[in-house]
Amino acid sequence: EVQLLESGGGLVQPGGSLRLSCATSGFTFTSFAFIWVRQAPGKGLEWVSTISSNGANTYYADSVKGRFTISRDDSRNTLYLQMDSLRVEDRATYYCAKFRNDARYYYYEMDVWGQGTTVTVSS
Amino acid sequence: DIVLTQSPATLSLSPGERATLSCRASQSVSSSLAWYQQKPGQAPRLLIYDASIRATGIPARFSGSGSGTAFSLTISGLEPGDFALYYCQQRSNWQWTFGQGTKVEFK
Repeated sequence: EVQLLESGGGLVQPGGSLRLSCATSGFTFTSFAFIWVRQAPGKGLEWVSTISSNGANTYYADSVKGRFTISRDDSRNTLYLQMDSLRVEDRATYYCAKFRNDARYYYYEMDVWGQGTTVTVSS
Repeated sequence: DIVLTQSPATLSLSPGERATLSCRASQSVSSSLAWYQQKPGQAPRLLIYDASIRATGIPARFSGSGSGTAFSLTISGLEPGDFALYYCQQRSNWQWTFGQGTKVEFK
């Protein structure tokens, strides 16, 4: 069974840092790109960042560029999101997700999502 | 960036009725558009990709259509579990965007 499990969320003060993890299982991790999507309380879905299957290419929403860093550890089948200089507006549930298509094909849609981890930024 | 606009914001219907949700893109996305369902406290679930292909395990009452800039998701015969939020989504120039969502609620 394909599974993604986020962890690392919590309460942090503005300006602080958190690292989210997304442990995966049930598929060939190195064949897929991954994405982080967030959802502020009562709001819609917002793309945060994407990493390619080989980790060489990373993409960020303007709202997090320069503050967040996406990475992957293929030996651990785990995706990460390092969040620095956190702002109140970064408060959200953060989901990691796997793309339906492997990296050999055009990919844009996500077929498996984690359950989410909640980040609260408050003083 | 391509903006996706969903309408209506809220759809009030009864079980058994047909729901038609719209998603319009500010530029053509060809057929590379996906639809998700999200229930309270849950992660989104992929329903439709490539505008009209049902994802694995999705019932046939869910159907998608459209191409270019105009898309629709139809739920024929709403069941109690279908009352939820629905989002469309696309990728362009290595930027991913979602529509703002349509809530299908009990009338």
